[in-house]
Amino acid sequence: NAGVTQTPKFRILKIGQSMTLQCAQDMNHNYMYWYRQDPGMGLKLIYYSVGAGITDKGEVPNGYNVSRSTTEDFPLRLELAAPSQTSVYFCASSYSGSRQPQHFGDGTRLSIL
Amino acid sequence: AQRVTQPEKLLSVFKGAPVELKCNYSYSGSPELFWYVQYSRQRLQLLLRHISRESIKGFTADLNKGETSFHLKKPFAQEEDSAMYYCALNTGGGNKLTFGTGTQLKVEL
Repeated sequence: NAGVTQTPKFRILKIGQSMTLQCAQDMNHNYMYWYRQDPGMGLKLIYYSVGAGITDKGEVPNGYNVSRSTTEDFPLRLELAAPSQTSVYFCASSYSGSRQPQHFGDGTRLSIL
Repeated sequence: AQRVTQPEKLLSVFKGAPVELKCNYSYSGSPELFWYVQYSRQRLQLLLRHISRESIKGFTADLNKGETSFHLKKPFAQEEDSAMYYCALNTGGGNKLTFGTGTQLKVEL
């Protein structure tokens, strides 16, 4: 039981390039989330999903896109990478409903140069 | 708008000393609060939640609505408690969380 798996762990992009951060969970959780964490800051929610085919914006969605075609996968897409998107990205999942703990992946460290 | 404030970036204590990690929140609704912890080279994981009113690894946290606080406490710090601690507020719909900036706890021998 791997929990939440994120790939890649590290990546360096050039300005203007695009990439997809992968996230998969094997706990049959309906809810999934993407956060970013800048140095010295807390985690900020980018997008979240409450089930396959349903996504919604979080606090900082600009410059990102998501899709949720299956319960297991929740990829995050950067279309035109910018230096401001240099951050550590965390994917998480939880059971449905409030008060449920979120389970996190190991994170992806992304640098845009 | 909801906000979580953790005023200390770093808290250094000696082994056996009491620990208190501060967390204050701002939220117009009924708050649901959590403490998450990240040990070195491990994933962020849930430590405890106010709704459970439980003690985990000797840590407790009491929700004080009057002071809008959810401070994390432990009477005797252990070396293995050294980690990054995040306070988080559940902001409803979709089980979303708003995180504080975190406090690095360092327990010295």
